[in-house]
Amino acid sequence: NAGVTQTPKFRILKIGQSMTLQCAQDMNHNYMYWYRQDPGMGLKLIYYSVGAGITDKGEVPNGYNVSRSTTEDFPLRLELAAPSQTSVYFCASTRQGSNQPQHFGDGTRLSIL
Amino acid sequence: DQQVKQNSPSLSVQEGRISILNCDYTNSMFDYFLWYKKYPAEGPTFLISISSIKDKNEDGRFTVFLNKSAKHLSLHIVPSQPGDSAVYFCAAREYSGAGSYQLTFGKGTKLSVIP
Repeated sequence: NAGVTQTPKFRILKIGQSMTLQCAQDMNHNYMYWYRQDPGMGLKLIYYSVGAGITDKGEVPNGYNVSRSTTEDFPLRLELAAPSQTSVYFCASTRQGSNQPQHFGDGTRLSIL
Repeated sequence: DQQVKQNSPSLSVQEGRISILNCDYTNSMFDYFLWYKKYPAEGPTFLISISSIKDKNEDGRFTVFLNKSAKHLSLHIVPSQPGDSAVYFCAAREYSGAGSYQLTFGKGTKLSVIP
């Protein structure tokens, strides 16, 4: 009964370092999403995927990359970490079809110093 | 330009009373609206939703009302319980092509239910 699993839960990076935030879902959902939430703000869409091999940009994609090689996994890559990328990152998934809510992971809290 | 606005950052309500959380939107292309509840250190969890063709949806203690002409929706919680204390996000859905939808979130309202 895992749902959407995100790893790691916390991470501190130095400016210029790179890392991959992992997201996996076991619900056989074809749609997956990455959001970031800055303090006092709503969630903003970074990238999304409608199925394996298909990804598209959201509202704030700059500085990030994604890939979707399997239905289950949707990793988010930061190539050159910048202080502006300090945020909480949430991954979500949903089944194709109207009126299906997105299911969220518990987030990755990332600090870049 | 915020398309989904939750103008009250916080709300305090006595246990047993009604909590009313408000949300305004500007984009007429939104066709579906959702409320999510979020506890600290957890991800948002889906609470209740409403289609743009309806004006009310009820699920137990939670009711969402939609006034399409005013571009306004509200979440009513009756009676409020201490466990309802959380941040509530309003989200609106728009079709983004190729069979996919995108959600736009408000900034959230922190509800505190006082025992």
